[in-house]
Amino acid sequence: GNSVTQMEGPVTLSEEAFLTINCTYTATGYPSLFWYVQYPGEGLQLLLKATKADDKGSNKGFEATYRKETTSFHLEKGSVQVSDSAVYFCALTNSGNTPLVFGKGTRLSVIA
Amino acid sequence: DTAVSQTPKYLVTQMGNDKSIKCEQNLGHDTMYWYKQDSKKFLKIMFSYNNKELIINETVPNRFSPKSPDKAHLNLHINSLELGDSAVYFCASSLGQGRNTGELFFGEGSRLTVL
Repeated sequence: GNSVTQMEGPVTLSEEAFLTINCTYTATGYPSLFWYVQYPGEGLQLLLKATKADDKGSNKGFEATYRKETTSFHLEKGSVQVSDSAVYFCALTNSGNTPLVFGKGTRLSVIA
Repeated sequence: DTAVSQTPKYLVTQMGNDKSIKCEQNLGHDTMYWYKQDSKKFLKIMFSYNNKELIINETVPNRFSPKSPDKAHLNLHINSLELGDSAVYFCASSLGQGRNTGELFFGEGSRLTVL
């Protein structure tokens, strides 16, 4: 079955540091890949997505590239801010009819 | 105007009680979901409805019964609450079967605490 594996958290960084959160996946076919973010006390919201190999999703300074050869979709940001503190979830779906499968989430704390 | 709204936001109750959580979406989506998030933030799908019909029912105890009176509403009723039911329950919606882009729109969550 489909699954997503994310690096364990929590991750604590100083403001302006470089961020990488690793995500690898197992899936049949050609899944679409997503990063969702959950700010404290809120529901999840879509951060970025990529639907085919070599696609790069980007939003709010975050980027992730769909790497089929390594089955990875690592999240990166060049310079984090305190407001980026949240839990980040990697997710995938195989088709429009199957629900998203989420990773276990990685908590990021950014300190000033 | 909140796209996906859940009530109540917080619920504290005793073991053995029955409680309901309501969800409404005003996005015109056909598909709605209930997810359970445990204390370690692990998110697991419980149910999915498409146009009022149940399409996904994961391994969830029979004490949990979803009801969708119309495609804009998906309520969750829980009987005989147990300590392990304590969690945050998220409602979500998406476009619909065959049209999903993978983007889910989540409510703010309902934190259930069973004492």
